Amino acid sequence: DSGVTQTPKHLITATGQRVTLRCSPRSGDLSVYWYQQSLDQGLQFLIQYYNGEERAKGNILERFSAQQFPDLHSELNLSSLELGDSALYFCASSAAGLAGGGNEQFFGPGTRLTVL
Amino acid sequence: AQSVAQPEDQVNVAEGNPLTVKCTYSVSGNPYLFWYVQYPNRGLQFLLKYITGDNLVKGSYGFEAEFNKSQTSFHLKKPSALVSDSALYFCAVRDGRWGGYNKLIFGAGTRLAVHP
Repeated sequence: DSGVTQTPKHLITATGQRVTLRCSPRSGDLSVYWYQQSLDQGLQFLIQYYNGEERAKGNILERFSAQQFPDLHSELNLSSLELGDSALYFCASSAAGLAGGGNEQFFGPGTRLTVL
Repeated sequence: AQSVAQPEDQVNVAEGNPLTVKCTYSVSGNPYLFWYVQYPNRGLQFLLKYITGDNLVKGSYGFEAEFNKSQTSFHLKKPSALVSDSALYFCAVRDGRWGGYNKLIFGAGTRLAVHP
């Protein structure tokens, strides 16, 4: 158990809908990362937050947004869903911050999103 | 730009034999290198990392990796493979110049199959 929790575990929805994925980092970790894993794209970095502020951005679509709250949990919002958004979405956390790029990330179990 | 290559989609090895999973990388600054393992329907688990220092890094479950700067490689090794090592292995790199501000880039993954 990595200490990172994600809810829900599975999500099935229809095209055009909006969903929210939730992540709670390990106790004490200030950085939260979101990743998308699909068969054709592999593991893609989406976005990073550190102590409530956005720190790095990857291949995140404009239909997707995220935030990190004062209690450090994070939410990833996916809107106007398309079939191609079906994937496994991982959250990870680390102690990494301003100078902690060498810290490893701890991954949650993921949320499997299926868009029908 | 950062990149990671895992040239083998799958590696097959007999139980008890040594295993190697290959990884090469490209970054502009000093690399921070990581190996993760993913078991079916699970999140990624951290195995080991290279930040600086000794080129041979030892990690979890008897795995080790050797950093080779001239060949820009960070191959994962284990002297004696177990059937339970069968999983998907990911190599990842981060450009050390930017600390925690930039993204961790993952390779496409290598599936390790250890046969009894």
